[in-house]
Amino acid sequence: GQSLEQPSEVTAVEGAIVQINCTYQTSGFYGLSWYQQHDGGAPTFLSYNALDGLEETGRFSSFLSRSDSYGYLLLQELQMKDSASYFCAVRDPGGGYNKLIFGAGTRLAVHP
Amino acid sequence: DGGITQSPKYLFRKEGQNVTLSCEQNLNHDAMYWYRQDPGQGLRLIYYSQIVNDFQKGDIAEGYSVSREKKESFPLTVTSAQKNPTAFYLCASSITYRDSNNYGYTFGSGTRLTVV
Repeated sequence: GQSLEQPSEVTAVEGAIVQINCTYQTSGFYGLSWYQQHDGGAPTFLSYNALDGLEETGRFSSFLSRSDSYGYLLLQELQMKDSASYFCAVRDPGGGYNKLIFGAGTRLAVHP
Repeated sequence: DGGITQSPKYLFRKEGQNVTLSCEQNLNHDAMYWYRQDPGQGLRLIYYSQIVNDFQKGDIAEGYSVSREKKESFPLTVTSAQKNPTAFYLCASSITYRDSNNYGYTFGSGTRLTVV
């Protein structure tokens, strides 16, 4: 089976940098994704890592280490609008289907 | 603009009633999914479908049913057998794994179901 662990809450101040970690256990690995969800809203796709290393997209970066079964989402120059929940997810290809298994989410609170 | 439309946004159900949540997409995605989210928790997979007339149970399918008669539509019925249906329901779609190395989902805006 697949399981993911991430911290339940993180707090930071505006302008700072915050890192949200995710460790996973999978029977096979097909990439780690990150999603952002504001309260009451729909999750939106942020990034996807299939290979080791850092992927940068503007203020957000995502890192993967397959040997450590570990990844993180790095948010720089934090803004109040970054207050949201962040989910890591792995693909479960069982039966040939592209279904995602999500972590429980990390709630990020950004303070002035 | 392409996207996923879920309706209604809010739904109230009486005990013992079946209700159906609508999910329509115009992204030409083959795969569609239903997730349930409880307060402060992650997303749990209810059902998924890769192609018309095919669907599979996810981790928490008991008390739910789906159909996939058209590529664009994947309605979810919450039956009276679901003992704790109050939750936020999210529908998503994606291209199939064979088509890309990036398997990002597009989510609808969700339906909040409350049992009264």
